[in-house]
Amino acid sequence: DAKTTQPTSMDCAEGRAANLPCNHSTISGNEYVYWYRQIHSQGPQYIIHGLKNNETNEMASLIITEDRKSSTLILPHATLRDTAVYYCIVRDGGSNYKLTFGKGTLLTVNP
Amino acid sequence: EADIYQTPRYLVIGTGKKITLECSQTMGHDKMYWYQQDPGMELHLIHYSYGVNSTEKGDLSSESTVSRIRTEHFPLTLESARPSHTSQYLCASSDPYTDTQYFGPGTRLTVL
Repeated sequence: DAKTTQPTSMDCAEGRAANLPCNHSTISGNEYVYWYRQIHSQGPQYIIHGLKNNETNEMASLIITEDRKSSTLILPHATLRDTAVYYCIVRDGGSNYKLTFGKGTLLTVNP
Repeated sequence: EADIYQTPRYLVIGTGKKITLECSQTMGHDKMYWYQQDPGMELHLIHYSYGVNSTEKGDLSSESTVSRIRTEHFPLTLESARPSHTSQYLCASSDPYTDTQYFGPGTRLTVL
């Protein structure tokens, strides 16, 4: 699976949009981009995933660049409860379904 | 969203004891996983299963063992606990259509 690079930490004001970047320059054509988050040592929570089109659900939006070498997770109106470690994971959509978690980005939402 | 349960949530036990961490899911998912995570560190996959009677070692070597006799149940066992096993253990299962993984709340194990 392709490797990802994320900033170690980010801050965001409550009520503002949080934009979390992820670089995956070695991504291959059949690899999906997944985002999970982990709130203070709870089990990770799935947020969203995509292949090449932008995706939106009730939690977030995922913007994938046209060359697919980077993506951005957008939380449109961050709340204090969104403070968590956010993981960007790239994995094969085929038989290899294991997820490899890196260090992620610690997003701190400030009042 | 999957319902996945882990018991106990917290366990403090002495060295040399045998322990079993329970994991159950009610969604009928075939694929299940165990991860280990030390405080402030990354999650590491230690075991996974494709379905009943299937178990595989993960990316991180572990002295624990797992079994998969029923689809909904994926217990992890340590035959003789040691202080080096102190960690958080997270169980997950994945949706067969989207391959998204759903995690349980975890078991925080402390071996004295």
